[in-house]
Amino acid sequence: AQSVAQPEDQVNVAEGNPLTVKCTYSVSGNPYLFWYVQYPNRGLQFLLKYITGDNLVKGSYGFEAEFNKSQTSFHLKKPSALVSDSALYFCAVRDRDYGGATNKLIFGTGTLLAVQP
Amino acid sequence: KAGVTQTPRYLIKTRGQQVTLSCSPISGHRSVSWYQQTPGQGLQFLFEYFSETQRNKGNFPGRFSGRQFSNSRSEMNVSTLELGDSALYLCASRSTSGGPGELFFGEGSRLTVL
Repeated sequence: AQSVAQPEDQVNVAEGNPLTVKCTYSVSGNPYLFWYVQYPNRGLQFLLKYITGDNLVKGSYGFEAEFNKSQTSFHLKKPSALVSDSALYFCAVRDRDYGGATNKLIFGTGTLLAVQP
Repeated sequence: KAGVTQTPRYLIKTRGQQVTLSCSPISGHRSVSWYQQTPGQGLQFLFEYFSETQRNKGNFPGRFSGRQFSNSRSEMNVSTLELGDSALYLCASRSTSGGPGELFFGEGSRLTVL
């Protein structure tokens, strides 16, 4: 079964420092990987995705993610954190497509990013 | 363009009652999915609809049901509510021209079961 794991419940970083939010995956076949962000009392917002191609994927708000097949990881990164980046971040993988198109996503448990001023 | 709209935003029910939640997708989006978010179980997939057809269903009991109308609006219903059904229910829509898994979420309907 497809799954993703986010080993850190919370990541603390000072404003201006680089940030990394970790995600590892376990899939059958080629993975479709995603990062979403959730601000307090809001729905999720799409940040970026990896389907195929370059291992470094750029997304919204200056975020990027690096796909590493050998380490089965898809870590989210940003060179310089902002206080406004503080939110809950979810890694997700698309479920296997058994002959029919699906957009079912399997989400990780989420990582709370806290950026201190 | 208006985003995904979910109603009601907040509601309180008692055990044994039923509830219907509504979702209006972004104009032109024909795919609608529902997710349940709880502190204990995280985000769990409920259903996916496309052009009024249920395309996929998650591992929830039969008390959870949904449908999609010809204008792509969707509803989900939970009957015989249990305390454990308290959650944020999120609806998401997707454009047919968008990439797989690129979902636009509403702000959710927060259900509290007493």
